[in-house]
Amino acid sequence: KAGVTQTPRYLIKTRGQQVTLSCSPISGHRSVSWYQQTPGQGLQFLFEYFSETQRNKGNFPGRFSGRQFSNSRSEMNVSTLELGDSALYLCASSWTSETYEQYFGPGTRLTVT
Amino acid sequence: GENVEQHPSTLSVQEGDSAVIKCTYSDSASNYFPWYKQELGKRPQLIIDIRSNVGEKKDQRIAVTLNKTAKHFSLHITETQPEDSAVYFCAASLPSFSGGYNKLIFGAGTRLAVHP
Repeated sequence: KAGVTQTPRYLIKTRGQQVTLSCSPISGHRSVSWYQQTPGQGLQFLFEYFSETQRNKGNFPGRFSGRQFSNSRSEMNVSTLELGDSALYLCASSWTSETYEQYFGPGTRLTVT
Repeated sequence: GENVEQHPSTLSVQEGDSAVIKCTYSDSASNYFPWYKQELGKRPQLIIDIRSNVGEKKDQRIAVTLNKTAKHFSLHITETQPEDSAVYFCAASLPSFSGGYNKLIFGAGTRLAVHP
């Protein structure tokens, strides 16, 4: 069974631009969570989607948003990019919101210049 | 508040020794505690997990213990090997406003180095 995939793997953007990242979960998994990983802040929860609905949200500004499609694929969008948004963005998939085990994708490395 | 403290931040052991990493969580609603291993440049990999109704779980050389009263949980690796060298993260789940438990609060990580 294929694992979690994320595209693109690397991205360079300029301050003020916006970016969209994509995540395809493991086949059959319906929950997708997004995390930001930085050397200074570690792994931080952004939000979770299940059945096209946001189930939970972390403490990030409204510039960070997401959505989930009927095939469980998820996208996250960051608008008005700031230098501090440079990070590894990881998504993780799970069967549902109640089965706990989350499996991570390889991440998208975003650099904001 | 939502917080998971992890210690130590770095751990250096000789091959064959045991390694112990400890975490403390703050929210008593947490009921699921996974451990992830992340090698340089790779994705976090789920290596073992424990749920709040279990005190201990073992998988070959890896074990996790949970003390709900003290809000502590620990990872134990026995007979360490050089390939165990990585950053290890503990995490605690938190419930969502709609009933799910997929919000994970992570510890800061422990960099484990196993020397041959």
